[in-house]
Amino acid sequence: AQSVTQLDSQVPVFEEAPVELRCNYSSSVSVYLFWYVQYPNQGLQLLLKYLSGSTLVESINGFEAEFNKSQTSFHLRKPSVHISDTAEYFCAVSDHGGGKLIFGQGTELSVKP
Amino acid sequence: EAGVVQSPRYKIIEKKQPVAFWCNPISGHNTLYWYLQNLGQGPELLIRYENEEAVDDSQLPKDRFSAERLKGVDSTLKIQPAELGDSAVYLCASSLDRGTSSYNEQFFGPGTRLTVL
Repeated sequence: AQSVTQLDSQVPVFEEAPVELRCNYSSSVSVYLFWYVQYPNQGLQLLLKYLSGSTLVESINGFEAEFNKSQTSFHLRKPSVHISDTAEYFCAVSDHGGGKLIFGQGTELSVKP
Repeated sequence: EAGVVQSPRYKIIEKKQPVAFWCNPISGHNTLYWYLQNLGQGPELLIRYENEEAVDDSQLPKDRFSAERLKGVDSTLKIQPAELGDSAVYLCASSLDRGTSSYNEQFFGPGTRLTVL
């Protein structure tokens, strides 16, 4: 069985500041890792994913996450945030059989001017 | 390309009443998921379909919840009777077939927000 812990429930940050949203997971098998973003009153959108290969993955809007197997982490970072990045961010894992995503409890990112 | 469609977007009912949610996945996506998202929590899988077959319904409370996907396309999730604790957002997602490189990428609909009074 897998589990996901997002270490911060809320992260307030000023516009143009860097941000890191932390995610740790637990699993007895190899996993795939995902970050989803949820804007108010909308469904979840895939932000980025790690399936294999390079441990550093990037999104089209400047976010990146690094898979660290030894620390069982998949932290999400952005060097300079915008007001529009304000949303709820969810880290998720699935085993290599796929089909079931296990989500963390979410981190609310609030970007202030 | 249309995304995952869900209806209704919002539903308010009295406890003990029945309620149904409808989902139409992305065209060509044979795998369909229903998730429950409680306030302030991440989504939790209720049921997963591969075409018409429910391949994982271990988290579905079968005493009051039921789901169907008769033709392997759209799906309905039903609660009867609803309880106060069922107030939540019900999310539908879809993905390509197992074995494809994109199987693990799930696309989510906007959800149905249920309020039970």
